Amino acid sequence: DAGVIQSPRHEVTEMGQEVTLRCKPISGHDYLFWYRQTMMRGLELLIYFNNNVPIDDSGMPEDRFSAKMPNASFSTLKIQPSEPRDSAVYFCASNPPGTRELFFGEGSRLTVL
Amino acid sequence: AQSVAQPEDQVNVAEGNPLTVKCTYSVSGNPYLFWYVQYPNRGLQFLLKYITGDNLVKGSYGFEAEFNKSQTSFHLKKPSALVSDSALYFCAVGRNTGGFKTIFGAGTRLFVKA
Repeated sequence: DAGVIQSPRHEVTEMGQEVTLRCKPISGHDYLFWYRQTMMRGLELLIYFNNNVPIDDSGMPEDRFSAKMPNASFSTLKIQPSEPRDSAVYFCASNPPGTRELFFGEGSRLTVL
Repeated sequence: AQSVAQPEDQVNVAEGNPLTVKCTYSVSGNPYLFWYVQYPNRGLQFLLKYITGDNLVKGSYGFEAEFNKSQTSFHLKKPSALVSDSALYFCAVGRNTGGFKTIFGAGTRLFVKA
């Protein structure tokens, strides 16, 4: 299995631009999570989905952030407009039915100038 | 609410010596507890978990963790450290009811000296 696939691996953009991060979970996994990692705040849960339905988005920092999961094999995290404080590594993770073990992607490192 | 505390930013140990990375948690109800490891520029990798049963849990790469309900702790241990164990270690907690939210601690950097 290819594992959780995230793209892009690195993104550098300017303040005010729209950013879209993409995630392909492992086939058969029914939960998908978006986390953000920074030195200051550690690993924060932003949102998670079950069977493509958002379950808890209480960690999404502001209305500038949105996430979708149109089907079982694809999810996006969008930031519009981006700000320098959004600079972080964004991780997508999925877990298979019946377990709580998270399988993480390699992350998308976002730098907003 | 769930929370995890990892009181040490960094743990230093000599190769061959036992290592312990500390974790305490707070959660209502029975906890699900996890340890993950992160190598530079990589995603987190699952090491082990406690759901129920024996308080001593064995995981990957010779790691184990001991669940202590009275102290609300879940410390990670290894009898003999390797230089290749040097990495960032995260403790995480979830609830057994009410959703699949998993909350991570701040992480502890383990440095194993040759």
